[in-house]
Amino acid sequence: SQTIHQWPATLVQPVGSPLSLECTVEGTSNPNLYWYRQAAGRGLQLLFYSVGIGQISSEVPQNLSASRPQDRQFILSSKKLLLSDSGFYLCACPMKVGTEAFFGQGTRLTVV
Amino acid sequence: QKEVEQNSGPLSVPEGAIASLNCTYSDRGSQSFFWYRQYSGKSPELIMFIYSNGDKEDGRFTAQLNKASQYVSLLIRDSQPSDSATYLCAVGFSGGYNKLIFGAGTRLAVHP
Repeated sequence: SQTIHQWPATLVQPVGSPLSLECTVEGTSNPNLYWYRQAAGRGLQLLFYSVGIGQISSEVPQNLSASRPQDRQFILSSKKLLLSDSGFYLCACPMKVGTEAFFGQGTRLTVV
Repeated sequence: QKEVEQNSGPLSVPEGAIASLNCTYSDRGSQSFFWYRQYSGKSPELIMFIYSNGDKEDGRFTAQLNKASQYVSLLIRDSQPSDSATYLCAVGFSGGYNKLIFGAGTRLAVHP
């Protein structure tokens, strides 16, 4: 079964600082990978998805970018954080060959 | 714009009662439907999925799907205080990759 590792678990960053969140997946190969964000009191918003190394699609225009340098590694980045980037960031992959998402433990980001 | 709507709640039910959670979706082409449970500060976990019209039962949980009405629901029988959480409805859209659209969630409170 898959295991998704995300780190750090919590992060407090000042406005204008850079960001790098990492997600690695075990127990599967060539998975589809997703980054979601959950703002306080709101649902999950899909930010990026990747079907393979170097393949990134963005769902919404924003201050963030994503990269997939290795098959089981997915990175979320920003050059300059905004207050509106605060939220709970979740990496996910399908549990099987389907649409259901299996989530990592998430990173709670607070931009101050 | 594909949308998934849920009543934000809170839905308050006494211990032992049936909790009924509802969700509507906008895209008639949707093929897969999921219910996730999210405890405060934690990542969502999948509890039910349903693909066909009708009911699907798993222990105390029953998912109900009506594609004609674009409506999916989750019933929790014999509700327990440990069921207190936010329940997220998610709808799968195919189109080159597996994509889930999430509702904002319904907060359920089960009181002794």
